[in-house]
Formats: sequence, structure tokens, C-alpha cells
Amino acid sequence: AQSVTQLDSHVSVSEGTPVLLRCNYSSSYSPSLFWYVQHPNKGLQLLLKYTSAATLVKGINGFEAEFKKSETSFHLTKPSAHMSDAAEYFCVVSAQNQGGKLIFGQGTELSVKP
Amino acid sequence: GAVVSQHPSWVICKSGTSVKIECRSLDFQATTMFWYRQFPKQSLMLMATSNEGSKATYEQGVEKDKFLINHASLTLSTLTVTSAHPEDSSFYICSARVGRGPLAKNIQYFGAGTRLSVL
Repeated sequence: AQSVTQLDSHVSVSEGTPVLLRCNYSSSYSPSLFWYVQHPNKGLQLLLKYTSAATLVKGINGFEAEFKKSETSFHLTKPSAHMSDAAEYFCVVSAQNQGGKLIFGQGTELSVKP
Repeated sequence: GAVVSQHPSWVICKSGTSVKIECRSLDFQATTMFWYRQFPKQSLMLMATSNEGSKATYEQGVEKDKFLINHASLTLSTLTVTSAHPEDSSFYICSARVGRGPLAKNIQYFGAGTRLSVL
């Protein structure tokens, strides 16, 4: 069975400093992995997706994530945080042979201090 | 492209009434739509998978008669919460997966969510 674990429930950074949101996955096959962002009382927006092509995936708004099979990790990073980045971030894996069902991590709340 | 519209964004109803939530894919055809429920400060919980023209597949523990799902066309799925009670109060989010065409990359596009408050 597939699963994802987001290692931090809350991350706080200062504006202009780097962001690191950690995610580890468990999968018996080569997974499809996603990062989604959710602003308060809003739906989810896709930041980026990994599908066994390049291991370094670039997304929107300056975010990127690196797939590391040896570490079973898919951490999300951004060189410089902006106030508008404050939101909830979800690491997600696509379940195998289940019609595209997504399995969500518990989420990481990112706070950005001025 | 790939915009999903969810309506209404917020609804308040009395206990015992039914509430219908619509999920529309505006610029693509969605053979599969998903309905999620999210409690405050928690992750999304998949309720059911809706395939156009067929019955929805419900996750374990989700009452089919309580949460009626209809996916009558390639661009519209509806979730009806029947005889709503206060414990049904939650944030409901739909998503749509592109079924065909250049956007068919197994990506789910999400609606903005519906906040249901049952008094």
C-alpha cells in the first residue's frame, strides 16, 4: 500500500528565507507524487508533479521538489519565502491501480513572518 | 485551462434538510470526479469516486444513502447531503480528473470547496 508522511505539521520561516517542507513516501512501485497548496477556505492548487521523468521537478511560484528514491523522499523547497506563500501544503501520492485515487499526507502549515 | 467550479461556496441549512453541491469542469471533460471531506486543520478524506454514467464508488465508512452522488455528464457531478445533521457540517471539496486529450495526465484539479453548516 502507498502512503505519505509529512514530517512537520507546522513550519515557520521569515520572509526572504528558504522554505523546506519534508515528505517521505512509501510505495512498492515507482509512484506519482504531487504537492498541492491550500489557502484558507479554498480548494487545492497543484504546485508540481513527479512522474518518473526528471528527479528535480520545478513547479509554480518558485517551488521545486526533488525525488530521492534512496531516501524515499520528495521534499518541497523554495529559495526565498514570500508572505503569500503562507498556506497549508499537502504531499500526495497516487494509489496504484485504483482509478487515480490520491492519498494525502496530513499537511504542513507554512507560516511566513515579515 | 483545467478549471473546476464548485457551487455553492457556503451553505447554511436546518437539520433535516437536504443540500446539493455542484462540481463542474469548465474547460475540459472529466470522466472521473472525486468528492472529499475536510475537517478543520485536517487532511482531505476521500468520500467517493464518481464516474460519468455509472454509480459512484464509496469509500469504506461513507454512507451511500446519506451522500448521494450523481455524475450525469462529462462536466457535472453533484453531491447531495440528505437529511443533514450538525455532524455533517464540514468543508466538502470536489476534484476532476481529465479523462482524455492533452491534459490527460492523471492530475486532479480541485474546486474551491463548499462549507456546509447544519444548524
